[in-house]
Amino acid sequence: SAVISQKPSRDICQRGTSLTIQCQVDSQVTMMFWYRQQPGQSLTLIATANQGSEATYESGFVIDKFPISRPNLTFSTLTVSNMSPEDSSIYLCSVVVGPRYEQFFGPGTRLTVL
Amino acid sequence: SQQGEEDPQALSIQEGENATMNCSYKTSINNLQWYRQNSGRGLVHLILIRSNEREKHSGRLRVTLDTSKKSSSLLITASRAADTASYFCATDAARAAGNKLTFGGGTRVLVKP
Repeated sequence: SAVISQKPSRDICQRGTSLTIQCQVDSQVTMMFWYRQQPGQSLTLIATANQGSEATYESGFVIDKFPISRPNLTFSTLTVSNMSPEDSSIYLCSVVVGPRYEQFFGPGTRLTVL
Repeated sequence: SQQGEEDPQALSIQEGENATMNCSYKTSINNLQWYRQNSGRGLVHLILIRSNEREKHSGRLRVTLDTSKKSSSLLITASRAADTASYFCATDAARAAGNKLTFGGGTRVLVKP
């Protein structure tokens, strides 16, 4: 498995501001992802964080709204830009490890936008 | 869009009983993973089952996979109050690149002491 930490664990933000979420892994990993979980819902993939190149976004998510950085194989950030109350969600990073391609998740960042 | 559906959406059982939940999906997969989430926290990885496997066990957990029916089940035996959580299945589609997961809607399990 992998030990994954996220900062902050939670935050309350004002409409129109931006928040950057950090994801740190205790070992080098190739595949890293960002997911969103809206209240009472399941998880939806936002993007694949690619080391050394631009992230790959899923349908419905764009770089201007969710810019992602991946400077190395153990760290990534997700920024939620120009926030609105609809962005209130849990944001989770995940990594793929091991020969069976198990995917492990960080503890999540609970974001509330007022 | 969600790859799969889970049923039931919610399940309430007494401590000591078994809990079974099912997951159906739409496309061919490389693997299927089950997760537990307590009260909106992070996801805990439970079991991964590959497309060429039919059954996996881990402690009190038993997962089956039927690729002909595109379905999987998670059985929790001798449930405990601490098993109260939401359970999600997630599939890694065979034709999609990069181990991206698509999640089912989840089953909320309440184990009453």
